[in-house]
Amino acid sequence: QQQVKQSPQSLIVQKGGISIINCAYENTAFDYFPWYQQFPGKGPALLIAIRPDVSEKKEGRFTISFNKSAKQFSLHIMDSQPGDSATYFCAASKAGNTGKLIFGQGTTLQVKP
Amino acid sequence: GAVVSQHPSWVICKSGTSVKIECRSLDFQATTMFWYRQFPKQSLMLMATSNEGSKATYEQGVEKDKFLINHASLTLSTLTVTSAHPEDSSFYICSARGFPGQETQYFGPGTRLLVL
Repeated sequence: QQQVKQSPQSLIVQKGGISIINCAYENTAFDYFPWYQQFPGKGPALLIAIRPDVSEKKEGRFTISFNKSAKQFSLHIMDSQPGDSATYFCAASKAGNTGKLIFGQGTTLQVKP
Repeated sequence: GAVVSQHPSWVICKSGTSVKIECRSLDFQATTMFWYRQFPKQSLMLMATSNEGSKATYEQGVEKDKFLINHASLTLSTLTVTSAHPEDSSFYICSARGFPGQETQYFGPGTRLLVL
């Protein structure tokens, strides 16, 4: 019940295309859903996060869509660029806890020029 | 803002030695810090959660005597890998969170440990 399942494992997109990464969770107590971007040999960097009281959040080219009833959320990268090539992790945590993040398995994105 | 640093960025040591990794929150006070381990092409595995001034809480399967964690101040946590062995070679990453209610975790750049 603590798992967050992420798909696909890897993704290849042409420059200018839309990259879509999906995550699903079981625990309805989760109430904070961040996405992290990680480049090889670096620590993860927070991209964008959402809470379940909104269905969508947009920051620049990055959008999170959230479907509370389906217990799913996704990251959309519009106008994907080669510089977006990285590994993306979704995560979830619940309020009142220690703040522990439960991470998805990760998606390696390659944006071809 | 919200910068977390780690030192060293990489370390090579001989089997049997101990290695200390520092994690610092540079521009905010971190009541909670987390230590993760990451193997190549895998997700982050939480090792332990540490709150300033109290003992760390270790995840199941993580040897607390092997991985000593100290969170002595609101800006510094250390992870000591004691008597390191080649199987301890990994990428260790810390993250820091501000005061309770602030869910955002900010990650350090990671420390690559290679035990020969």
